[in-house]
Formats: sequence, C-alpha cells, structure tokens
Amino acid sequence: GQNIDQPTEMTATEGAIVQINCTYQTSGFNGLFWYQQHAGEAPTFLSYNVLDGLEEKGRFSSFLSRSKGYSYLLLKELQMKDSASYLCATMDSNYQLIWGAGTKLIIKP
Amino acid sequence: GAVVSQHPSRVICKSGTSVKIECRSLDFQATTMFWYRQFPKQSLMLMATSNEGSKATYEQGVEKDKFLINHASLTLSTLTVTSAHPEDSSFYICSATTGGDYNEQFFGPGTRLTVL
Repeated sequence: GQNIDQPTEMTATEGAIVQINCTYQTSGFNGLFWYQQHAGEAPTFLSYNVLDGLEEKGRFSSFLSRSKGYSYLLLKELQMKDSASYLCATMDSNYQLIWGAGTKLIIKP
Repeated sequence: GAVVSQHPSRVICKSGTSVKIECRSLDFQATTMFWYRQFPKQSLMLMATSNEGSKATYEQGVEKDKFLINHASLTLSTLTVTSAHPEDSSFYICSATTGGDYNEQFFGPGTRLTVL
C-alpha cells in the first residue's frame, strides 16, 4: 500500500530551527515534494528531492534517503510567517502525488 | 511564471444547484490539470486528473456524474459540482503541471464552496 507519515503538529520558537520528518511507503518513486500551506490558502512549492542528500534553498533545506523511505524539511531562523502546515508528498510511478496529512507548525515569539 | 488562477474564490449556493469552478494556467500551457478537495484540517484529496482533449480520470469513490470535468484547452479546466449538497461544502483546489523536469504542480488559490 501507499502511506505517508508526518507529525500532526509541532511547536517552535521564533529564531530557532525546526525539523519536520516524513516517512513514506509508495509504489514506485519519482521524487518527494514539500509544500507549505497557510490556512485557507492553496499549497505553495518549497522543494523537490529525487536523489539522496540535502537540498538547500535559503532558510529551508530538504533531505532525502530513498533506502530508508525518509525525508525531512529543515527550517532555520524561524519567523512568525512560517506558521503554516507543511505537506510532504511523493510522486509515484504514475507521476501522481501521494499526499501526507500535513504538519501544522506553530511558531511562538 | 507558472501562475494558476481559479474562479470564483468563494461561492455560496443553495442545495440542489450546480456550481462551476474555472481553473486557468495564465502563463504556461498545462499538459495535465488536477482537481483536489480538502476538508478542514485534512490533507488534499485528489479527485481527478485531466488532460486536454480527453476524458478525466477519476479517483476511486469520486462520482464522475456529480463532478463534471471539462479540459477544453491547454490553459483551462472546469469542475462543475452538479446538484450540490451540504456535504459537498469544501475547499476545491486545482493544480497544473507542464510536465517539466520536476512534474511540479502549480496550485490555484482554491475555491471555498459552501452549500446551504
């Protein structure tokens, strides 16, 4: 079966670093995406990993280990505007996205 | 680049009426468009995948006669919720892909449907 797990909710402090984990089991694998979704809005693309390793993009980094079926999104220098849900999604052999339930990130001052 | 628009952004209708939602790729031609539904505090649920000029592929459990999808051009797809009922109230989001390296999906802003 296909399954994506990520924590339901996390809390972090402004200025700190937070790591959001995602584990997956999918039929076929054509990459893993991270999206950010603010309440009441559509998701916006953050990152894409298809090879093992770390992809860094400004304050956000994403890591992938295909052998472990594991990814994480690392957010540095947290800002209040980073409060949002973070969705992990894998692309299966049919190039369709399989979505996790999302992790609600709460940033406190 | 890669902007997707949706119209309307919000609609309130009476039970039994039909509602049409438009999804447009503004600055690129979308080989494939996707329609999602999202209930509060839940993840995106794919409803259907559509390619221009062909019939949409619906996910299991999605009634194709209730959720009519038309993908008339490479920049426009429409979703019509026919005979809407209160349980159809949801956030409907479309996305489009160019089929590029990432097959990245670009999302529209979503349509909030409330059926009274």
